[in-house]
Amino acid sequence: NAGVMQNPRHLVRRRGQEARLRCSPMKGHSHVYWYRQLPEEGLKFMVYLQKENIIDESGMPKERFSAEFPKEGPSILRIQQVVRGDSAAYFCASSPLQARTDEKLFFGSGTQLSVL
Amino acid sequence: GNSVTQMEGPVTLSEEAFLTINCTYTATGYPSLFWYVQYPGEGLQLLLKATKADDKGSNKGFEATYRKETTSFHLEKGSVQVSDSAVYFCALYTSGTYKYIFGTGTRLKVLA
Repeated sequence: NAGVMQNPRHLVRRRGQEARLRCSPMKGHSHVYWYRQLPEEGLKFMVYLQKENIIDESGMPKERFSAEFPKEGPSILRIQQVVRGDSAAYFCASSPLQARTDEKLFFGSGTQLSVL
Repeated sequence: GNSVTQMEGPVTLSEEAFLTINCTYTATGYPSLFWYVQYPGEGLQLLLKATKADDKGSNKGFEATYRKETTSFHLEKGSVQVSDSAVYFCALYTSGTYKYIFGTGTRLKVLA
Protein backbone atom coordinates (compact mmCIF):
# COMPACT_ATOMS: atom_id res chain seq x y z
CA ASN A 1 0.00 0.00 0.00
CA ALA A 2 1.83 3.08 -1.26
CA GLY A 3 2.06 6.03 1.06
CA VAL A 4 1.21 9.62 0.30
CA MET A 5 3.05 10.59 -2.86
CA GLN A 6 4.11 14.14 -3.53
CA ASN A 7 5.86 15.46 -6.60
CA PRO A 8 8.04 17.02 -7.52
CA ARG A 9 10.36 16.62 -4.57
CA HIS A 10 12.14 19.83 -5.43
CA LEU A 11 10.77 22.67 -7.54
CA VAL A 12 12.67 25.76 -8.60
CA ARG A 13 10.81 28.72 -10.00
CA ARG A 14 11.69 32.30 -10.87
CA ARG A 15 9.68 35.15 -9.48
CA GLY A 16 6.42 35.57 -11.38
CA GLN A 17 6.19 31.97 -12.57
CA GLU A 18 3.57 29.45 -11.53
CA ALA A 19 4.19 26.52 -9.22
CA ARG A 20 2.08 23.35 -9.25
CA LEU A 21 2.49 20.87 -6.46
CA ARG A 22 0.87 17.46 -6.65
CA CYS A 23 -0.27 15.09 -3.97
CA SER A 24 -1.69 11.59 -4.34
CA PRO A 25 -3.20 10.45 -1.03
CA MET A 26 -3.00 6.94 0.28
CA LYS A 27 -5.36 4.47 -1.31
CA GLY A 28 -8.79 4.75 0.24
CA HIS A 29 -8.15 8.20 1.72
CA SER A 30 -10.49 10.96 0.63
CA HIS A 31 -9.32 13.71 2.99
CA VAL A 32 -6.33 15.81 2.02
CA TYR A 33 -4.58 18.54 3.97
CA TRP A 34 -1.88 20.92 2.78
CA TYR A 35 0.64 22.43 5.19
CA ARG A 36 3.48 24.86 4.67
CA GLN A 37 6.71 24.70 6.64
CA LEU A 38 8.83 27.80 6.60
CA PRO A 39 12.47 27.68 7.72
CA GLU A 40 12.74 27.44 11.51
CA GLU A 41 8.96 27.40 11.85
CA GLY A 42 6.37 24.74 12.41
CA LEU A 43 3.76 23.48 10.04
CA LYS A 44 1.06 25.94 9.18
CA PHE A 45 -2.32 24.67 8.02
CA MET A 46 -3.29 25.91 4.59
CA VAL A 47 -6.30 24.01 3.30
CA TYR A 48 -8.42 20.92 3.90
CA LEU A 49 -10.12 19.21 0.98
CA GLN A 50 -12.33 16.26 0.33
CA LYS A 51 -12.99 14.92 -3.14
CA GLU A 52 -14.27 17.81 -5.28
CA ASN A 53 -14.81 20.02 -2.23
CA ILE A 54 -12.81 22.59 -0.33
CA ILE A 55 -13.81 22.20 3.30
CA ASP A 56 -11.57 24.77 4.97
CA GLU A 57 -9.18 27.13 3.25
CA SER A 58 -8.75 29.53 6.14
CA GLY A 59 -4.97 29.09 6.09
CA MET A 60 -4.54 29.91 2.42
CA PRO A 61 -3.40 33.36 1.35
CA LYS A 62 -6.31 35.09 -0.35
CA GLU A 63 -4.39 35.81 -3.51
CA ARG A 64 -2.27 33.68 -5.83
CA PHE A 65 -2.92 30.40 -3.98
CA SER A 66 -5.52 27.82 -4.92
CA ALA A 67 -6.09 24.14 -4.28
CA GLU A 68 -8.22 21.41 -5.76
CA PHE A 69 -8.88 17.72 -5.25
CA PRO A 70 -10.74 16.43 -8.29
CA LYS A 71 -12.79 13.28 -8.48
CA GLU A 72 -9.99 11.64 -10.43
CA GLY A 73 -6.34 12.38 -10.01
CA PRO A 74 -4.15 14.00 -7.42
CA SER A 75 -4.73 17.05 -5.30
CA ILE A 76 -3.04 20.14 -6.73
CA LEU A 77 -1.74 23.16 -4.85
CA ARG A 78 -1.22 26.00 -7.29
CA ILE A 79 0.74 29.15 -6.61
CA GLN A 80 0.57 31.84 -9.26
CA GLN A 81 3.17 34.58 -9.72
CA VAL A 82 5.47 33.18 -7.07
CA VAL A 83 7.53 35.47 -4.87
CA ARG A 84 10.63 34.72 -2.80
CA GLY A 85 8.51 34.53 0.35
CA ASP A 86 6.74 31.48 -1.08
CA SER A 87 9.96 29.47 -0.72
CA ALA A 88 9.14 26.73 1.76
CA ALA A 89 8.47 23.04 2.16
CA TYR A 90 4.90 22.13 1.31
CA PHE A 91 3.54 18.97 2.86
CA CYS A 92 0.46 17.06 1.94
CA ALA A 93 -1.26 14.71 4.37
CA SER A 94 -4.21 12.40 4.01
CA SER A 95 -6.61 10.59 6.29
CA PRO A 96 -9.23 7.92 5.71
CA LEU A 97 -12.83 8.38 4.69
CA GLN A 98 -14.17 8.50 8.21
CA ALA A 99 -12.05 11.07 9.99
CA ARG A 100 -12.32 10.76 13.76
CA THR A 101 -10.74 12.65 16.59
CA ASP A 102 -8.04 10.04 17.01
CA GLU A 103 -7.32 9.60 13.35
CA LYS A 104 -3.72 10.21 12.46
CA LEU A 105 -2.46 11.94 9.39
CA PHE A 106 -0.26 10.25 6.84
CA PHE A 107 2.28 12.67 5.43
CA GLY A 108 4.08 12.80 2.14
CA SER A 109 7.78 13.63 1.92
CA GLY A 110 7.02 17.18 0.87
CA THR A 111 7.87 19.47 -2.02
CA GLN A 112 10.65 21.96 -1.44
CA LEU A 113 9.82 25.09 -3.42
CA SER A 114 12.65 27.51 -4.09
CA VAL A 115 11.90 30.83 -5.72
CA LEU A 116 14.86 32.58 -7.32
CA GLY B 1 -8.30 29.73 19.10
CA ASN B 2 -6.55 26.43 19.52
CA SER B 3 -2.78 26.50 19.80
CA VAL B 4 0.24 24.41 20.73
CA THR B 5 3.40 25.71 22.38
CA GLN B 6 6.63 23.72 22.38
CA MET B 7 9.94 24.37 24.00
CA GLU B 8 12.42 25.93 21.65
CA GLY B 9 15.33 23.98 20.35
CA PRO B 10 17.74 22.85 19.44
CA VAL B 11 18.16 20.32 22.19
CA THR B 12 21.56 18.64 22.22
CA LEU B 13 22.09 15.54 24.34
CA SER B 14 24.64 12.82 24.71
CA GLU B 15 23.66 9.27 23.88
CA GLU B 16 21.78 7.53 26.73
CA ALA B 17 20.74 10.83 28.30
CA PHE B 18 17.16 11.47 29.47
CA LEU B 19 14.97 13.50 27.15
CA THR B 20 12.08 15.82 27.91
CA ILE B 21 10.45 18.05 25.31
CA ASN B 22 7.73 20.23 26.77
CA CYS B 23 4.41 20.80 25.05
CA THR B 24 1.41 22.74 26.31
CA TYR B 25 -1.81 23.43 24.51
CA THR B 26 -4.85 25.67 24.45
CA ALA B 27 -8.05 24.23 23.10
CA THR B 28 -11.79 24.35 23.38
CA GLY B 29 -13.45 21.02 23.84
CA TYR B 30 -11.51 17.80 24.26
CA PRO B 31 -8.68 17.52 21.77
CA SER B 32 -6.67 14.50 20.82
CA LEU B 33 -2.92 15.02 21.23
CA PHE B 34 -0.10 13.75 19.08
CA TRP B 35 3.66 13.72 18.75
CA TYR B 36 5.02 13.55 15.22
CA VAL B 37 8.68 13.09 14.26
CA GLN B 38 10.40 14.38 11.15
CA TYR B 39 13.70 12.80 10.13
CA PRO B 40 15.96 14.76 7.78
CA GLY B 41 14.55 15.04 4.28
CA GLU B 42 11.32 13.23 5.13
CA GLY B 43 7.73 13.99 5.96
CA LEU B 44 6.25 13.70 9.41
CA GLN B 45 5.49 10.35 10.97
CA LEU B 46 3.21 9.72 13.88
CA LEU B 47 5.22 8.83 16.97
CA LEU B 48 2.46 8.48 19.56
CA LYS B 49 -0.95 9.80 20.48
CA ALA B 50 -3.43 10.14 23.33
CA THR B 51 -7.13 10.78 22.93
CA LYS B 52 -8.35 11.57 26.45
CA ALA B 53 -7.17 12.86 29.79
CA ASP B 54 -4.65 10.65 31.66
CA ASP B 55 -4.02 8.51 28.59
CA LYS B 56 -0.38 7.66 28.03
CA GLY B 57 0.90 7.27 24.50
CA SER B 58 4.08 5.28 23.97
CA ASN B 59 6.20 4.06 21.08
CA LYS B 60 9.88 3.23 20.49
CA GLY B 61 10.73 4.08 24.09
CA PHE B 62 9.04 7.49 23.92
CA GLU B 63 6.16 8.34 26.23
CA ALA B 64 3.77 11.23 26.76
CA THR B 65 0.85 11.60 29.18
CA TYR B 66 -2.24 13.69 28.43
CA ARG B 67 -2.51 16.04 31.42
CA LYS B 68 -5.73 17.99 31.30
CA GLU B 69 -5.12 19.84 34.57
CA THR B 70 -1.88 21.34 33.26
CA THR B 71 -2.89 21.24 29.57
CA SER B 72 0.38 19.49 28.80
CA PHE B 73 1.65 16.58 26.75
CA HIS B 74 5.39 16.42 27.42
CA LEU B 75 7.48 13.94 25.46
CA GLU B 76 9.99 11.82 27.39
CA LYS B 77 12.50 9.11 26.69
CA GLY B 78 14.73 7.50 29.26
CA SER B 79 17.77 6.88 27.07
CA VAL B 80 18.16 8.58 23.71
CA GLN B 81 20.13 7.23 20.78
CA VAL B 82 21.88 8.96 17.90
CA SER B 83 19.14 7.67 15.62
CA ASP B 84 16.58 9.74 17.57
CA SER B 85 18.05 12.92 16.11
CA ALA B 86 15.12 14.59 14.36
CA VAL B 87 12.56 17.35 14.71
CA TYR B 88 9.65 16.58 17.02
CA PHE B 89 6.25 18.22 16.62
CA CYS B 90 3.46 18.32 19.16
CA ALA B 91 -0.02 18.57 17.65
CA LEU B 92 -3.67 18.59 18.58
CA TYR B 93 -6.89 17.83 16.77
CA THR B 94 -10.41 18.74 17.78
CA SER B 95 -13.32 17.26 15.89
CA GLY B 96 -15.35 19.82 14.01
CA THR B 97 -12.35 22.06 13.36
CA TYR B 98 -10.92 19.84 10.61
CA LYS B 99 -7.47 21.11 11.46
CA TYR B 100 -4.52 19.56 13.11
CA ILE B 101 -2.64 22.34 14.92
CA PHE B 102 1.10 21.85 15.13
CA GLY B 103 3.69 23.38 17.38
CA THR B 104 6.80 24.96 15.91
CA GLY B 105 8.84 21.80 16.35
CA THR B 106 11.85 21.03 18.53
CA ARG B 107 15.07 19.89 16.93
CA LEU B 108 16.86 17.15 18.85
CA LYS B 109 20.49 16.32 18.22
CA VAL B 110 22.00 13.32 19.96
CA LEU B 111 25.77 13.02 20.07
CA ALA B 112 27.62 9.72 20.24
